[in-house]
Amino acid sequence: DQQVKQNSPSLSVQEGRISILNCDYTNSMFDYFLWYKKYPAEGPTFLISISSIKDKNEDGRFTVFLNKSAKHLSLHIVPSQPGDSAVYFCAAGDSNYQLIWGAGTKLIIKP
Amino acid sequence: NAGVTQTPKFQVLKTGQSMTLQCAQDMNHEYMSWYRQDPGMGLRLIHYSVGAGITDQGEVPNGYNVSRSTTEDFPLRLLSAAPSQTSVYFCASSLLGAGDGYTFGSGTRLTVV
Repeated sequence: DQQVKQNSPSLSVQEGRISILNCDYTNSMFDYFLWYKKYPAEGPTFLISISSIKDKNEDGRFTVFLNKSAKHLSLHIVPSQPGDSAVYFCAAGDSNYQLIWGAGTKLIIKP
Repeated sequence: NAGVTQTPKFQVLKTGQSMTLQCAQDMNHEYMSWYRQDPGMGLRLIHYSVGAGITDQGEVPNGYNVSRSTTEDFPLRLLSAAPSQTSVYFCASSLLGAGDGYTFGSGTRLTVV
């Protein structure tokens, strides 16, 4: 039973445009969500998080939106840059110890 | 600062062999975790620790042991390697817990033949 789903294995976006990565979850007890970025042969890098009591969090070019009623969150990257090409993972947690991860979405930024 | 350091980067084991994956962090983080990543899947938690002397099981602990004798080090031991343990292993640490955002090591790619 996949509690966190990223339904798009890959996404291709033109440089300078907006990238929107989506994530759905099934467990209403999750109380925080995080996005990580991963380059090949490296560990994931933490990007941005959001608490379940908020519906939006911004950090520079990155914005995460949370829709609790739909159990859906999205990561917006504006404007998209070549260095944003990577695999993006969403993760969710209901305690301070364990995260449940999605399978990832590979973002390709086209020049 | 070095962050989270994992060794080795690559390892090939024969079925039944044992080995220890090393993980060290220099950020004085209390929380440390071991994850494995398999193709087409998200990361899965193997074991975690909330401080020196305290460890607990995650989602997929079978076949692995951990110990946390110091704040800095969190080694992962494979007791008797099996082909199903072929994976990429990541160690991570955090100051305040999973919700704070982990710092990850660069990973160990393990192949069991």
